[in-house]
Amino acid sequence: EAEVAQSPRYKITEKSQAVAFWCDPISGHATLYWYRQILGQGPELLVQFQDESVVDDSQLPKDRFSAERLKGVDSTLKIQPAELGDSAMYLCASSETQGFSTDTQYFGPGTRLTVL
Amino acid sequence: GNSVTQMEGPVTLSEEAFLTINCTYTATGYPSLFWYVQYPGEGLQLLLKATKADDKGSNKGFEATYRKETTSFHLEKGSVQVSDSAVYFCALSAPHSGGSNYKLTFGKGTLLTVNP
Repeated sequence: EAEVAQSPRYKITEKSQAVAFWCDPISGHATLYWYRQILGQGPELLVQFQDESVVDDSQLPKDRFSAERLKGVDSTLKIQPAELGDSAMYLCASSETQGFSTDTQYFGPGTRLTVL
Repeated sequence: GNSVTQMEGPVTLSEEAFLTINCTYTATGYPSLFWYVQYPGEGLQLLLKATKADDKGSNKGFEATYRKETTSFHLEKGSVQVSDSAVYFCALSAPHSGGSNYKLTFGKGTLLTVNP
């Protein structure tokens, strides 16, 4: 069964350093999502791509976070500089289509970020 | 705006007990409803979904019925197993802030622990 791949699984960094996370969606999935999940909370959407275009980045802290999906396949989420409050699980998800409420999103295993 | 409210945890049950996790929602239009499960250290997995009123989603012995009149989507299982121990998230997919882009909105999650 196809899966969403993410790396690294765990990342420990110091405050003010730069970090990057990588996601490879299920092959053929046009839509890719990045979520942040704070411990004890549900995931919150940071950014959504349709192919290589950003559809929604309204909750992305653009002063320090950036995301790209240059060829419409895999994607990178970057934080620079990292802050203590960025410690969380970063989840990537993909779906086959976009624009239908019935779309199912498939999640990767996540990257657990700890900022010291 | 769209929101999901689910039963506060943690929930602790003995093996073979009956499980109910309550979930209610607020949304514009006709959302699709989902239950996701997150095992320790892993990403989210789709457990079941329902896309219109009175639909019943089911998987692995879990069931939930889309009740539009009570805006609810309660998760039930007749006999839980130790392997069901996980965090369960209720979620809805609906247009966000008057736009046309569908977004997943999650509840805060309910931790279920099943003891032998």
